[in-house]
Amino acid sequence: EIVMTQSPATLSVSPGERATLSCRASQSVSSNLAWYQQKPGQPPRLLIHSASTRAPGIPGRFSGSGSGTEFTLTISSLQSEDFAVYYCQQHNNWPPIGPYTFGQGTRLEIK
Amino acid sequence: EVQLVESGGGLVQPGGSLRLSCAASGFTFNINDMHWVRQGTGKGLEWVAAIGSIGDTYYLDSVQGRFTISRENAENSLYLQMNNLRDGDTAVYYCAKGRRDSAAYGHYFDLWGRGILVTVSS
Repeated sequence: EIVMTQSPATLSVSPGERATLSCRASQSVSSNLAWYQQKPGQPPRLLIHSASTRAPGIPGRFSGSGSGTEFTLTISSLQSEDFAVYYCQQHNNWPPIGPYTFGQGTRLEIK
Repeated sequence: EVQLVESGGGLVQPGGSLRLSCAASGFTFNINDMHWVRQGTGKGLEWVAAIGSIGDTYYLDSVQGRFTISRENAENSLYLQMNNLRDGDTAVYYCAKGRRDSAAYGHYFDLWGRGILVTVSS
């Protein structure tokens, strides 16, 4: 099983500033990495797939980078609606080779 | 409208059974691979099971033999039969549509339902 580790657990940033979230895989997942945003009481929303491809309708201030085992989600200028929990998910190994796995999440809070 | 709507959750005693349903609309259900993903209260996301468009099924090890994923394409519906439920199965269960860029890669989840709560408790 590929273990996904996100850091930091909580990130405090002021509106208008840049936020950088990290995700590390226990083994290479090539560029098969997705990012999701989740707000309280809502399902996750796909932001990025394949490490750097924005999903339809996702604003340009969200960008993803990385490959192999190290990945980054950057939000260039934080808006009030961006404060949420963010999860990464590897889509490189899938059943029956192994389960899809998620990171434990990074909570992005207002500073 | 493109959406997934779950139903069938509730309170069940340990060892009991529950069947979740997911109604799909707004997209061609029968050609898409579908998944169940769960989230314990205040916890992260955990993939549970998947079913391919041709009916192939896959499970998380901890639910293998207890849960059964199925689909009825004529009704645009996905199901999860959960038997011998345990305390650790308590979670919000999401129905999710899988998407991938090619058969060489796995799925990411581009459409999610709002989720349904399953509580296992005596």
